[in-house]
Amino acid sequence: GNSVTQMEGPVTLSEEAFLTINCTYTATGYPSLFWYVQYPGEGLQLLLKATKADDKGSNKGFEATYRKETTSFHLEKGSVQVSDSAVYFCALSGRSSYKLIFGSGTRLLVRP
Amino acid sequence: GAVVSQHPSWVICKSGTSVKIECRSLDFQATTMFWYRQFPKQSLMLMATSNEGSKATYEQGVEKDKFLINHASLTLSTLTVTSAHPEDSSFYICSARAADNQPQHFGDGTRLSIL
Repeated sequence: GNSVTQMEGPVTLSEEAFLTINCTYTATGYPSLFWYVQYPGEGLQLLLKATKADDKGSNKGFEATYRKETTSFHLEKGSVQVSDSAVYFCALSGRSSYKLIFGSGTRLLVRP
Repeated sequence: GAVVSQHPSWVICKSGTSVKIECRSLDFQATTMFWYRQFPKQSLMLMATSNEGSKATYEQGVEKDKFLINHASLTLSTLTVTSAHPEDSSFYICSARAADNQPQHFGDGTRLSIL
């Protein structure tokens, strides 16, 4: 079945550091891929998405590229801020069911 | 952007009572709404999918008589936790989407604590 694997956290960085959160997936066919962010005590917000191979999703300085050959969708940001501290979820959605399947989440803590 | 409102945001109640959580799409019509449960520091687990006007589809292992879902209109779905017990304490999150190929938009979640 479809699944998503994320790197375990927490990831602790200093402000302005470079961020990478790894995400790989297993899926039949060609899923859509997403990154969601969850701030403390809140629901999830869609951060970015990509619907086909080689697509790059980007938002608020975050980027992720849909790599079919490596079945990956790693999240990157060139310079993190304290306000980026949150839990980040990688997810996929199949073409047939459109249900979201989430990874386990990666907590990011950015220190001033 | 699309807004989903979830109410209440926090509820504490005694064991044995029933609790209703509302999920509303404020600026779009949601043909499908989803209910998730999230345990502390864990990912979201899909509980059920509800389509307006039809019965909800529950994921394996989720008791449909325990977690009653109603999706009576295109802007409102409710989750009722019946005869709640401490093990039902959790963070419940709903999401809504306008069509199959549209992204899900999430509510802010409801923290349920059963004493």
